[in-house]
Amino acid sequence: QSALTQPPSASGSPGQSVTISCTGTSSDIGGYNCVSWYRQHPGKAPKLMIYEVNKRPSGVPDRFSGSKSGNTASLTVSGLQADDESDYYCSSYGGSNNWVFGGGTKLTVL
Amino acid sequence: QLQLQESGPGLVKPSETLSLTCTVSGGSINTISYYWGWIRQPPGKGLEWIGNIYYNGRTYYNPSLRSRVTMSVDTSKNQFSLRLSSVTAADTAVYYCARMDSDSSGYYYVFADHWGQGALVTVSS
Repeated sequence: QSALTQPPSASGSPGQSVTISCTGTSSDIGGYNCVSWYRQHPGKAPKLMIYEVNKRPSGVPDRFSGSKSGNTASLTVSGLQADDESDYYCSSYGGSNNWVFGGGTKLTVL
Repeated sequence: QLQLQESGPGLVKPSETLSLTCTVSGGSINTISYYWGWIRQPPGKGLEWIGNIYYNGRTYYNPSLRSRVTMSVDTSKNQFSLRLSSVTAADTAVYYCARMDSDSSGYYYVFADHWGQGALVTVSS
């Protein structure tokens, strides 16, 4: 069982926006601004999309944005494209030198 | 461009020790700027952090695996390694190595910004 809770699936049509939630506790998401999001295509390594809640690494389109409220973090993908169809994982510093992940959300572009 | 590559046996017998090495190219592992980490993913399941190691050998391990995990670093070879003892079928997974960057405070190294391609390790007799 994952430390962080994500919905197993999400979907949207091309051009639309979709938001994926990630719920933790005050000991992880709520306690630190160390939330990150990863995209993973089938058979590939994960790719960092968002770090420190809302920062984008170089090369990640601004269609991807992150936020946090209390113990819940969110990833919003705007202007959905076919290539956005993938698994998305949230993660957070979990306190006591621990790093925790969510169970993953499969995003389907309809 | 930084690249990481995992290597090691793809098949390990139950109760034995899993050993993997990550070779880093295009950058030095001997840096104060990053930690180096291992993350695994059982088939069809989510990601699990195993541990991080610094260039000087300082380590942090997942509490649930701490009793079985040992990580080491060889700066002369630009490599770091993972050993997981007493493996069972539950340890069957794709094992990734990654470069770990920190938050703005420089204290929490929890952002994996470069990943290896992954190595499937199966535990079976």
